[in-house]
Amino acid sequence: QKEVEQDPGPLSVPEGAIVSLNCTYSNSAFQYFMWYRQYSRKGPELLMYTYSSGNKEDGRFTAQVDKSSKYISLFIRDSQPSDSATYLCAMTPSGGYNKLIFGAGTRLAVHP
Amino acid sequence: DAGVTQSPTHLIKTRGQHVTLRCSPISGHKSVSWYQQVLGQGPQFIFQYYEKEERGRGNFPDRFSARQFPNYSSELNVNALLLGDSALYLCASSLGAPGYTFGSGTRLTVV
Repeated sequence: QKEVEQDPGPLSVPEGAIVSLNCTYSNSAFQYFMWYRQYSRKGPELLMYTYSSGNKEDGRFTAQVDKSSKYISLFIRDSQPSDSATYLCAMTPSGGYNKLIFGAGTRLAVHP
Repeated sequence: DAGVTQSPTHLIKTRGQHVTLRCSPISGHKSVSWYQQVLGQGPQFIFQYYEKEERGRGNFPDRFSARQFPNYSSELNVNALLLGDSALYLCASSLGAPGYTFGSGTRLTVV
């Protein structure tokens, strides 16, 4: 079993839809939870991160962490065609210099 | 301010050859990590360096090695290339979690 599970999709939604992206994990030591966006042939770009449990909002994006269920989510409101990309969840046990454990990534396509 | 720069952007190598990939971190970042991303999968951790010392190594064979220089730039070396080494190799620099900034990667094709 992988440490981080993420549905690879693809996910196709109309412009303006609310998108929900999810990951589950097995390692209870994870403390930092990150969402990266990766456009084709580019490196991952950090969208937002959450420390421990709770919610965090940044514009059209909301990240949620439920440590009791080992489940994290990223919501995108009013989705735009420019949001079409692969979304990667990533986790690490603590601060400092620890490796990131990534999910497989979910491909999202937002069509006009 | 320049981001993480990687070179080359693309290269094609033959099985059995050796390859060296290079990474320059963001100015002030003393930590560099390397990841391998196979098509359709998430990045897999290879190495992490901080202040020129190896701080972590992923589950990769000894054919993979890396080093960090006094100016904090880094090289990833892969010997005896296999077809399965074809991937996007990503470098990330950091001041510490969660602030990892990735470069655009080097796309390696082994034929």
